[in-house]
Amino acid sequence: DAGITQSPRHKVTETGTPVTLRCHQTENHRYMYWYRQDPGHGLRLIHYSYGVKDTDKGEVSDGYSVSRSKTEDFLLTLESATSSQTSVYFCAISESGLAGFEQYFGPGTRLTVT
Amino acid sequence: AQTVTQSQPEMSVQEAETVTLSCTYDTSENNYYLFWYKQPPSRQMILVIRQEAYKQQNATENRFSVNFQKAAKSFSLKISDSQLGDTAMYFCAFMKHEGGGADGLTFGKGTHLIIQP
Repeated sequence: DAGITQSPRHKVTETGTPVTLRCHQTENHRYMYWYRQDPGHGLRLIHYSYGVKDTDKGEVSDGYSVSRSKTEDFLLTLESATSSQTSVYFCAISESGLAGFEQYFGPGTRLTVT
Repeated sequence: AQTVTQSQPEMSVQEAETVTLSCTYDTSENNYYLFWYKQPPSRQMILVIRQEAYKQQNATENRFSVNFQKAAKSFSLKISDSQLGDTAMYFCAFMKHEGGGADGLTFGKGTHLIIQP
C-alpha cells in the first residue's frame, strides 16, 4: 500500500471555526490532491498540487485553501467551516512516469460541521 | 470540462454471475486515461483497472475487463465470476493526459454493486 496518512480521521467542529486537515505521504510523489465525497456526487476535486508551493484550484475550491511547504505534506484548510462542508475528504498522490498516472488514495477524513 | 455518467445507481447479482457496469463520458480531449475504482465499506479507494485512450485493446485484470468504445465515449466494466468481496461502490473516472499527470480525476457518481450469496 502507498504510504499515505490523513489526520485527523474523524472531526466534529462547529460552524464558523477554522479546520485544517493534513495529508502526509512517504512516497516522495510530486502530485497531491484533495477530494471531497458526498452522497450522490461521487468524488470531486477541491485543490491539487504539482510541487512544493505549487497549487491550483479544482472543481469545488470555494471556501477551501491549501498549502504545501514540503513534498510530503499537503494541508487543506477550511477558514470558516460551514455545514455544507460536512463531507468525507480524501487525499491522493501521483507521480509522472507511473503507468496511467495512477492515483493512490489515503483512508479519508470524515468531517462533520454542526 | 469533462463529465462522467454512471447510469446505474445500484445493481444486484448472484454470486458467480457476470455483471457489467456502465460508464459514459463527455470530453473534447483526444488523449486521456479512464479508470475504474472500487470503494468497499471500509471506504478505501482501490484502483481496479485503467485504460489509455490511445490503446485500442481493452484492458483486463484477472476477473475484471473493460469494453472501451472511444467513438461512443463508453467505458463499461465487466466482472466475471462475481464474488461476495466484490460488493462495493464502483466509480468510473477520467483524467486528461496533457499536464503530465497533474490534473485530477473527474468521477462519476458511482454504482453500488451488491453480490448476493
